[in-house]
Amino acid sequence: QLVLTQSPSASASLGASVKLTCTLSSGHSRYAIAWHQQQPEKGPRYLMNLNSDGSHIRGDGIPDRFSGSSSGAERYLTISSLQSEDEADYYCQTWGTGIQVFGGGTKLTVL
Amino acid sequence: EAQVVESGGGLVKPGGSLRLSCAASGFTFSSYHMNWVRQAPGKGLEWVSTISSDDGTYKSYADSVKGRFTIARDNAKNSLYLQMSSLRAEDTAMYYCARAPSNVFDVWGLGTMVTVSS
Repeated sequence: QLVLTQSPSASASLGASVKLTCTLSSGHSRYAIAWHQQQPEKGPRYLMNLNSDGSHIRGDGIPDRFSGSSSGAERYLTISSLQSEDEADYYCQTWGTGIQVFGGGTKLTVL
Repeated sequence: EAQVVESGGGLVKPGGSLRLSCAASGFTFSSYHMNWVRQAPGKGLEWVSTISSDDGTYKSYADSVKGRFTIARDNAKNSLYLQMSSLRAEDTAMYYCARAPSNVFDVWGLGTMVTVSS
């Protein structure tokens, strides 16, 4: 079964960097994913598409402070130079035959 | 700029029906797969349904809505729809429309709220 697992919460200081993790279920380690950001009381926003080799393509207008990387079944989103507006929920998303799957989301707090 | 705007949400009684709409602009609507995604209050994102580009021949649904919800599109009107019937309390959520080239949701709307309550 295709499942994405994310830690429920993360925190980091203003100006620092943080690395969020999304783990693909067994047997699905080569799947690409997408990362999405949802700021409080707003709709989601597409951040990037991330492949199993770590190559990624950011969405329009997404600053290069947001980057992606991969290792095995793990997919990472690194946010550098954290700003207050980065405080949000972050979701990973992938797809299989006839289905779309979201991770449970990570709530990022900027201290 | 590519945009999608949802409408049609509201309060409906259990067992009732509702039709959501999504108006697209700024891109060639017919060329894209389109999706509905929902988010229950305080919860994460849940995929609801997908319809293929062009004539919308291919449709898929989450198990939680299969047989109760129907997705459709009208390319002449640049619009996506979600017909919801036999609504349950657990269908209460914000419903988002999303464009999905190559399965990646790259354009999202602001959502429309559906509340199922007696």
